[in-house]
Amino acid sequence: AQRVTQPEKLLSVFKGAPVELKCNYSYSGSPELFWYVQYSRQRLQLLLRHISRESIKGFTADLNKGETSFHLKKPFAQEEDSAMYYCALSNQAGTALIFGKGTTLSVSS
Amino acid sequence: EADIYQTPRYLVIGTGKKITLECSQTMGHDKMYWYQQDPGMELHLIHYSYGVNSTEKGDLSSESTVSRIRTEHFPLTLESARPSHTSQYLCASQGSGANVLTFGAGSRLTVL
Repeated sequence: AQRVTQPEKLLSVFKGAPVELKCNYSYSGSPELFWYVQYSRQRLQLLLRHISRESIKGFTADLNKGETSFHLKKPFAQEEDSAMYYCALSNQAGTALIFGKGTTLSVSS
Repeated sequence: EADIYQTPRYLVIGTGKKITLECSQTMGHDKMYWYQQDPGMELHLIHYSYGVNSTEKGDLSSESTVSRIRTEHFPLTLESARPSHTSQYLCASQGSGANVLTFGAGSRLTVL
């Protein structure tokens, strides 16, 4: 079964600390993975996708097929990074995205 | 401005009422989706459409129905609302090519 697992419900860090939001997936095939973010009182929006291999707002994510992981990382957290982060997988049929339960990131000064 | 719009943003109704959540997009996207989002839970796909007169049920069983008579419009209807339908409903659309969703602001439904 296709599944996305985000083991942490809440991650609290101090400003300037490194951040790693974990995401593991189960998928038989070549997955397409995404990170979406929802800031307070804003819409859910795309943060980055693995095929772009880009850094957005200082965040990067590398697809590790051996560990079936797609962890989101940032070397120095900022208070404005506080938000809900969802990892998502494009399913086999390509019909829609499968989302994890989300991780709330709280960055305090 | 090209965007995706959801109305109402908030709705509180009594059990047994019929409700329709509206979703419209002005981006010319063919694919549209409805997700259900509960606090602390993943987003569950409940309906999707690949174009006019095309609708499919998603992974999560839902008592709601949808229609797609026009490309830009994808309303969701509950014939008889129940407290178990209390949730946030997110509408999204996707253009051809990129597998990226654009989400609406959501409709938060509370059934008493």
